[in-house]
Amino acid sequence: ETGVTQTPRHLVMGMTNKKSLKCEQHLGHNAMYWYKQSAKKPLELMFVYSLEERVENNSVPSRFSPECPNSSHLFLHLHTLQPEDSALYLCASSLQGTGYGYTFGSGTRLTVV
Amino acid sequence: AQSVTQLDSHVSVSEGTPVLLRCNYSSSYSPSLFWYVQHPNKGLQLLLKYTSAATLVKGINGFEAEFKKSETSFHLTKPSAHMSDAAEYFCVVRGYNNNDMRFGAGTRLTVKP
Repeated sequence: ETGVTQTPRHLVMGMTNKKSLKCEQHLGHNAMYWYKQSAKKPLELMFVYSLEERVENNSVPSRFSPECPNSSHLFLHLHTLQPEDSALYLCASSLQGTGYGYTFGSGTRLTVV
Repeated sequence: AQSVTQLDSHVSVSEGTPVLLRCNYSSSYSPSLFWYVQHPNKGLQLLLKYTSAATLVKGINGFEAEFKKSETSFHLTKPSAHMSDAAEYFCVVRGYNNNDMRFGAGTRLTVKP
């Protein structure tokens, strides 16, 4: 375990469903991130939360909605997804002001049917 | 602006032979550089990082990387490959802060018995 826990590990959902991905860290980090990893494509930064405030939204479709209730928890709410949204969704955390980089979770493998 | 280029999308070596994964970077700042490894269906794990200290950086599992400013390179090496090294490897450059991390496209390492 890296200290960043993502649940569920696997998720299959229909295009009309609503589901949420959860990320939790107890490393004392103050920034959290959602990344999307699709086959044959580079990692895509989706959302950044620093000190619990969203600081970046890289033109992600509104069917993805992040929530960061505190510095230890991060959610990604999903609704009316498309098949092309099937991917591995990775959560990461870091400590701003240091050069230690990210700690990643193991990811949620999402399949949209 | 920051960017990284991983020069090989796929590298194949025999077990017990040296590994070389190449990474060139571009950065407007004094860069921090990282190598991450990702095993199938797992998150990314930090192998090593360069943050303006020694130019030869040692990481986990016998990997090391050398920062060469004149060549803008940060190649990852290992003297002797093991079957368990088979994975995807990502070179990453950090920009102004931890919210500005640029990932390379990845190099898939195959290790043949």
